[in-house]
Amino acid sequence: SQQGEEDPQALSIQEGENATMNCSYKTSINNLQWYRQNSGRGLVHLILIRSNEREKHSGRLRVTLDTSKKSSSLLITASRAADTASYFCATGRGGADGLTFGKGTHLIIQP
Amino acid sequence: GAGVSQSPSNKVTEKGKDVELRCDPISGHTALYWYRQSLGQGLEFLIYFQGNSAPDKSGLPSDRFSAERTGGSVSTLTIQRTQQEDSAVYLCASSLGAGGTGELFFGEGSRLTVL
Repeated sequence: SQQGEEDPQALSIQEGENATMNCSYKTSINNLQWYRQNSGRGLVHLILIRSNEREKHSGRLRVTLDTSKKSSSLLITASRAADTASYFCATGRGGADGLTFGKGTHLIIQP
Repeated sequence: GAGVSQSPSNKVTEKGKDVELRCDPISGHTALYWYRQSLGQGLEFLIYFQGNSAPDKSGLPSDRFSAERTGGSVSTLTIQRTQQEDSAVYLCASSLGAGGTGELFFGEGSRLTVL
């Protein structure tokens, strides 16, 4: 079953603008991860945030985590055409469980 | 190679035939996952191997699907008596950490088309 749900399902913005995607999940987690998938390719890991962290940065990426609301957001600043891709959140609960992915947000950056 | 390798990259088969998809994880990674992705959709979890533990098969959609991991390394996903609804991209990923605690490294996938 899906653990994470991304919102919106699709997002189209102009190059240079900021893009924000949200992820909600249902159960307690050990960590939350964001991945990017270019069309027809495998997924690439972007960033991991642990359950005891609230915010994390990596280059133009900023991720927040609110465990009380069971939600996370991914912000991409100063977007570029090359950022066009699908973005997925994934949650890990640790223990014997694996990693569960949401359905993704398809981001289009208009040049 | 340093990454996760999957083969074949593309497979076209006729309905009712069996297919085998192979995944060669990154050396030393104890966790291995199989996911299925239909066109424009998210990732559907199929099966998860962790070290020598019994695999988590809870995502396999039917008994036509099976997977094994030999020697804690290479994994094979087998689909018997393929159906058209099995058409999808099958993605394999490996991880150094257990239990979804670390980054997953994905292969480029095997695109299966059942005619």
